[in-house]
Amino acid sequence: QKEVEQDPGPLSVPEGAIVSLNCTYSNSAFQYFMWYRQYSRKGPELLMYTYSSGNKEDGRFTAQVDKSSKYISLFIRDSQPSDSATYLCAMSMYSSASKIIFGSGTRLSIRP
Amino acid sequence: DAGVIQSPRHEVTEMGQEVTLRCKPISGHDYLFWYRQTMMRGLELLIYFNNNVPIDDSGMPEDRFSAKMPNASFSTLKIQPSEPRDSAVYFCASSFFPGQGEKLFFGSGTQLSVL
Repeated sequence: QKEVEQDPGPLSVPEGAIVSLNCTYSNSAFQYFMWYRQYSRKGPELLMYTYSSGNKEDGRFTAQVDKSSKYISLFIRDSQPSDSATYLCAMSMYSSASKIIFGSGTRLSIRP
Repeated sequence: DAGVIQSPRHEVTEMGQEVTLRCKPISGHDYLFWYRQTMMRGLELLIYFNNNVPIDDSGMPEDRFSAKMPNASFSTLKIQPSEPRDSAVYFCASSFFPGQGEKLFFGSGTQLSVL
């Protein structure tokens, strides 16, 4: 079993819809949770970062962490075609980039 | 800042040949990482450096892979001899710790095809 599980998709939704992306994990020691966005033929870029449980909002994006269920989510409101990308969840036990474990990524397509 | 710069963007080679991938990290970043991304295995950490010193190479698949960082602004990942199963996108990333230890800045990657 992988430490981090993520549905690969693809997920296709119409423009303006609310998108929900999710990951589950098995290691209860994870404390730092991230979402990276990766456009085609580009490297991943950090989108959201949260520590421990709770919600964090940044514009149209909300990251949610439920440590009791070992479940994290990324919500995108008012989705735009420019949001079409692969979204990778990532997590680590330490505040150190050397220990980040990535999910396999979910491909998201927003239809105009 | 130009970001993390990788070269070449694409590399096509034949099995058995030597391949060298190059990376220039963001100036001032003291951590450098090499990742490999495939459909089957996702994003895997191969090796990382701190202040030009290799810290953890446990992700390097086998002795055919080697990485060097001769100075703070340059790193190479070498595969010798290359095999078809090495075909993947190889990313270099850099980071500054503390303060942004959890934020990795990725290059655009090198698409490697071994025939």
